[in-house]
Amino acid sequence: GAGVSQSPRYKVAKRGQDVALRCDPISGHVSLFWYQQALGQGPEFLTYFQNEAQLDKSGLPSDRFFAERPEGSVSTLKIQRTQQEDSAVYLCASSLRASGVGEQYFGPGTRLTVT
Amino acid sequence: GQQVMQIPQYQHVQEGEDFTTYCNSSTTLSNIQWYKQRPGGHPVFLIQLVKSGEVKKQKRLTFQFGEAKKNSSLHITATQTTDVGTYFCAGSDGGSQGNLIFGKGTKLSVKP
Repeated sequence: GAGVSQSPRYKVAKRGQDVALRCDPISGHVSLFWYQQALGQGPEFLTYFQNEAQLDKSGLPSDRFFAERPEGSVSTLKIQRTQQEDSAVYLCASSLRASGVGEQYFGPGTRLTVT
Repeated sequence: GQQVMQIPQYQHVQEGEDFTTYCNSSTTLSNIQWYKQRPGGHPVFLIQLVKSGEVKKQKRLTFQFGEAKKNSSLHITATQTTDVGTYFCAGSDGGSQGNLIFGKGTKLSVKP
């Protein structure tokens, strides 16, 4: 069956531009997570949704980062006024259970390069 | 805040040798998960451990969760070139909606 998909796969943005990254989770999955993965590092938690509710956004590095999941399925991570330090792979993961505990299925990621 | 440390950062082995990566948490965990990320790929779930002292096996892979639920290990017996990748542990303290805190990973290379 279809896994988690993300688009675009690659994005190059000039410093100061806004970007929007999309995640299509596995159908029926209640939990959705966004992670940021820098080169050679492990994924770092950004934010968590249970259906359409954003229950934890403690990992968002600044108020330039905003995420939404308005209908409880597709999610968008928006970064305003991009900076070079935002360059990373942004991973989306979904999970069947509401608690957030359990296997997470990751998408292929969006590699963001800010020049 | 909660931190998860993983060692070693890199491991180079000859095909057929064993490999072990260790994970330590600064806090007691409610569960720990292990993921594998192939070069250029995304993390793929391997296993979840929940109980104190739990040991689980998947073919040549053995996973352990410490008695105090603050450490874990992954052991691969007789490595193969298909084992190449980065192995991450990820722990949850049960709070924060079960969010996972990932270690930095152990990158395994296998020489044929």
